[in-house]
Amino acid sequence: DAKTTQPPSMDCAEGRAANLPCNHSTISGNEYVYWYRQIHSQGPQYIIHGLKNNETNEMASLIITEDRKSSTLILPHATLRDTAVYYCTLNNAGNMLTFGGGTRLMVKP
Amino acid sequence: KAGVTQTPRYLIKTRGQQVTLSCSPISGHRSVSWYQQTPGQGLQFLFEYFSETQRNKGNFPGRFSGRQFSNSRSEMNVSTLELGDSALYLCASSWDGGNTIYFGEGSWLTVV
Repeated sequence: DAKTTQPPSMDCAEGRAANLPCNHSTISGNEYVYWYRQIHSQGPQYIIHGLKNNETNEMASLIITEDRKSSTLILPHATLRDTAVYYCTLNNAGNMLTFGGGTRLMVKP
Repeated sequence: KAGVTQTPRYLIKTRGQQVTLSCSPISGHRSVSWYQQTPGQGLQFLFEYFSETQRNKGNFPGRFSGRQFSNSRSEMNVSTLELGDSALYLCASSWDGGNTIYFGEGSWLTVV
């Protein structure tokens, strides 16, 4: 069973921030939260990951709640090229990613 | 820096045959993992190798096997192919646990 729950789809206006939520209420203490996106069934593209602290890189920000039971991926200025399926996954440091159904993000002009 | 390279990109096999897929990880990465992606089941973990040893294994039948070589390159093999094995097979690599995990573009397998 998937250990993460995400809304199946979301829309976002071009230029606006896209906030993608993920619930992982059964996360273990040693599990990292990873985010990937996949476009047209290409290989998943790494976005960001974190353990307990918020993280930011050139692509996105990751906000993890203090109890670590949920997280939010923020794309600060969404573009049409950000249209993709976004996956929130957990990794137990054994590099065994558990994928749920993902969120299909549609960025609209 | 080259990314994760998978070969072949596309292949068609007949039921009952066997197939071997190859993966070259990013230079310096010691962990290689394999995933199967199908429309019905989504992305599912097959197995992970680290320093030539299988460290984790997903819930797949014994027809699915893999190995890792001393240069960290990995192969996976599927024997006695079934129609349901048609899928995108993805390889991912990382230096070790907790680090960034990068995926290749995958190998599209069609079983007819």
